[in-house]
Amino acid sequence: DSGVTQTPKHLITATGQRVTLRCSPRSGDLSVYWYQQSLDQGLQFLIQYYNGEERAKGNILERFSAQQFPDLHSELNLSSLELGDSALYFCASGPSGGADEQFFGPGTRLTVL
Amino acid sequence: GENVEQHPSTLSVQEGDSAVIKCTYSDSASNYFPWYKQELGKRPQLIIDIRSNVGEKKDQRIAVTLNKTAKHFSLHITETQPEDSAVYFCAASESGNQFYFGTGTSLTVIP
Repeated sequence: DSGVTQTPKHLITATGQRVTLRCSPRSGDLSVYWYQQSLDQGLQFLIQYYNGEERAKGNILERFSAQQFPDLHSELNLSSLELGDSALYFCASGPSGGADEQFFGPGTRLTVL
Repeated sequence: GENVEQHPSTLSVQEGDSAVIKCTYSDSASNYFPWYKQELGKRPQLIIDIRSNVGEKKDQRIAVTLNKTAKHFSLHITETQPEDSAVYFCAASESGNQFYFGTGTSLTVIP
């Protein structure tokens, strides 16, 4: 157990819908990263937050947004869902947002039907 | 942006043999290179990492080497065991901003 929690574990929804994925970082970690892992694909970096502020943006679609709250938990919002958005979404946390180990959560498996 | 390439995509070795996975990166500003192991359906877990001021790092049966000039780094697993079977990902980052991952290597250790 990495100490990073993600909810829900599984999510099944329909095209066009909107969902919210939640991540709680390890105690003391200020940085949260979001990744998308499609079937048989590598990890695609989406976005990073550090202490409530967006720090880096990767290949995140305009239909996706994220935020980090004062208690440091983070949410990833996915809207106008398409079949191709079906994937495993991981968040990871790190202490400083620097060149440190990231601790990954268990992931949320999103299925869009 | 950074581009990380990883080879091979699949690797099968006999138990007890060594396995080597290679990655190249494009951005000379990258200075942190972690390796992750991911078992089926599980989260990625860090197995070893190296920073740009170091050329080699070892941890028991696992070692990583970094050649900054050539912009490549490699994972070496010696005395492989069946439990080493998993997908391995390399990654590159500039000071923890934006981690770029390779496409993964599926390692199978044959008993």
